[in-house]
Amino acid sequence: DVKVTQSSRYLVKRTGEKVFLECVQDMDHENMFWYRQDPGLGLRLIYFSYDVKMKEKGDIPEGYSVSREKKERFSLILESASTNQTSMYLCASSDRVHGYTFGSGTRLTVV
Amino acid sequence: QKEVEQNSGPLSVPEGAIASLNCTYSDRGSQSFFWYRQYSGKSPELIMSIYSNGDKEDGRFTAQLNKASQYVSLLIRDSQPSDSATYLCAVKTSYDKVIFGPGTSLSVIP
Repeated sequence: DVKVTQSSRYLVKRTGEKVFLECVQDMDHENMFWYRQDPGLGLRLIYFSYDVKMKEKGDIPEGYSVSREKKERFSLILESASTNQTSMYLCASSDRVHGYTFGSGTRLTVV
Repeated sequence: QKEVEQNSGPLSVPEGAIASLNCTYSDRGSQSFFWYRQYSGKSPELIMSIYSNGDKEDGRFTAQLNKASQYVSLLIRDSQPSDSATYLCAVKTSYDKVIFGPGTSLSVIP
């Protein structure tokens, strides 16, 4: 009954690498989101998308980009990974009315 | 003033007791309110949604909304150790953005 799938549960990357985090949802939701969650800082919105090929910056977009070529897929890209991007990354999707469904998260470590 | 505020806790209750989690918000035009449960190392899971003033019950969970006071709460009856988690309050604001609170850590003591 998995509805939002994130491609990796754990990921270790080197500083300077380009990193792709993939998220796929099977609920035909228009809206998709990328958050990061750090102890003491809560959930912080990185980017979101309300439609295919549409993207909007969230609260902390610096160092990230996104791609939404298909309705069901929303990718987060770290252009040049840095150690301060070590975090738990959470993808979520929703329709216009109801709450979010989150993926299981990707714990990224940048060394 | 932060847009969504919660007591960070930790809140400790004995098994079988009622746990009461509180949340206040600043945008008076907000219309949709959500409670998420997050176990350590896991992602948030939606457990309750409430859209109108009053109470909404689902099993052992009751969400309460008071828009005049800009206050939403979650009551957990007959608390179980498996309820030990962080509970996130989320508010969909009048400008169509969902704001998450910092979360309240709940510990149910056997």
